[in-house]
Amino acid sequence: AQSVTQLDSQVPVFEEAPVELRCNYSSSVSVYLFWYVQYPNQGLQLLLKYLSGSTLVKGINGFEAEFNKSQTSFHLRKPSVHISDTAEYFCAVSEAGGFKTIFGAGTRLFVKA
Amino acid sequence: DTGVSQDPRHKITKRGQNVTFRCDPISEHNRLYWYRQTLGQGPEFLTYFQNEAQLEKSRLLSDRFSAERPKGSFSTLEIQRTEQGDSAMYLCASTHRDETEAFFGQGTRLTVV
Repeated sequence: AQSVTQLDSQVPVFEEAPVELRCNYSSSVSVYLFWYVQYPNQGLQLLLKYLSGSTLVKGINGFEAEFNKSQTSFHLRKPSVHISDTAEYFCAVSEAGGFKTIFGAGTRLFVKA
Repeated sequence: DTGVSQDPRHKITKRGQNVTFRCDPISEHNRLYWYRQTLGQGPEFLTYFQNEAQLEKSRLLSDRFSAERPKGSFSTLEIQRTEQGDSAMYLCASTHRDETEAFFGQGTRLTVV
């Protein structure tokens, strides 16, 4: 079975500062990894995903993430955040070729002016 | 196609009443998922359909919960004899057989009073 741990429940950051949201996973098999964003009272939107290949994955809205197999991590980064990036971010994992996605508890990113 | 559609967006019900939610997935997406999200948590997997077949149910899905996808298109999730602990956001997602990205609806927020 897979599991996901998001190490920070809340991350406050000033506008235009860099940010890193941390995610660790556990699995005994090969996995796919995802980051989703959720705005208030909305569904989830995919930011980026890692399936295979290059460990540095670029997504929408200037976000990127790096897959580190030895550390079982998939941290999300953005070099300069905007007020509009304020939202809940979820890291997720699924078994490669599987159908069920397991989500972390989420990290609330709060961007301050 | 405008994406995954869920109805209603909000539902307030008295404890003990039955409620039914509907999900219309993206056309031609043969996989459909239901998730439950409580405040401050990530989505938790409830059940999964491939076409009209319900292939997996979480142990979270008690016998008061039932989901159907009779023609392999839209799906319904019914909760009988609602309890206050059922208050949550119920999210539906769909994927195409050959894809890894799950597309989420905006969810149905259930409040049991």
